[in-house]
Amino acid sequence: EAQVTQNPRYLITVTGKKLTVTCSQNMNHEYMSWYRQDPGLGLRQIYYSMNVEVTDKGDVPEGYKVSRKEKRNFPLILESPSPNQTSLYFCASSLSGTGVYEQYFGPGTRLTVT
Amino acid sequence: AQKVTQAQTEISVVEKEDVTLDCVYETRDTTYYLFWYKQPPSGELVFLIRRNSFDEQNEISGRYSWNFQKSTSSFNFTITASQVVDSAVYFCALSEAGGGNKLTFGTGTQLKVEL
Repeated sequence: EAQVTQNPRYLITVTGKKLTVTCSQNMNHEYMSWYRQDPGLGLRQIYYSMNVEVTDKGDVPEGYKVSRKEKRNFPLILESPSPNQTSLYFCASSLSGTGVYEQYFGPGTRLTVT
Repeated sequence: AQKVTQAQTEISVVEKEDVTLDCVYETRDTTYYLFWYKQPPSGELVFLIRRNSFDEQNEISGRYSWNFQKSTSSFNFTITASQVVDSAVYFCALSEAGGGNKLTFGTGTQLKVEL
């Protein structure tokens, strides 16, 4: 089954404790991206990757890191989480090419930072 | 800069009513893409439709239809004969062709369909 998986689905942590949210897709998509969803703000892009070893900042990258060492994986790293990073996080992937293709989203990771 | 506005925060309808969700967008690009996603109470994001700026033909898929009007920068979504299973948050999104596939989302419209 074609899908984007994220782990963990739920995470409660404390301020400053480094964490990683994993994201994996099995559709051989070149493009991957991370978004955060906050009430009243919709979804905002954090980072994206056009292909392996190519990453770039989205609209709200502060406090986050990413890496793309393999095509299928795109982990999101919070080196020192703070309470304002409490949010619902989505990973997404899509084909890339001359056009813009629909993105397929993972199930989401609900993060609470206390 | 690209922007998407969904002015309707919440809509409540009774089952079998038709309902239209509004989406207005802003972009300076001539080539762009518009999307609708559904987020049911379970939380996942489900892709519904993708439209490019050169295709203004309206689309119908079962009870769903979309009206794209470049003249008013709108991409509205209509559900005909709504059902309780249609209850969800619906997001409209925009991506500019040169924007690295970035989706700019509206703030969403919560649709509640009651019996």
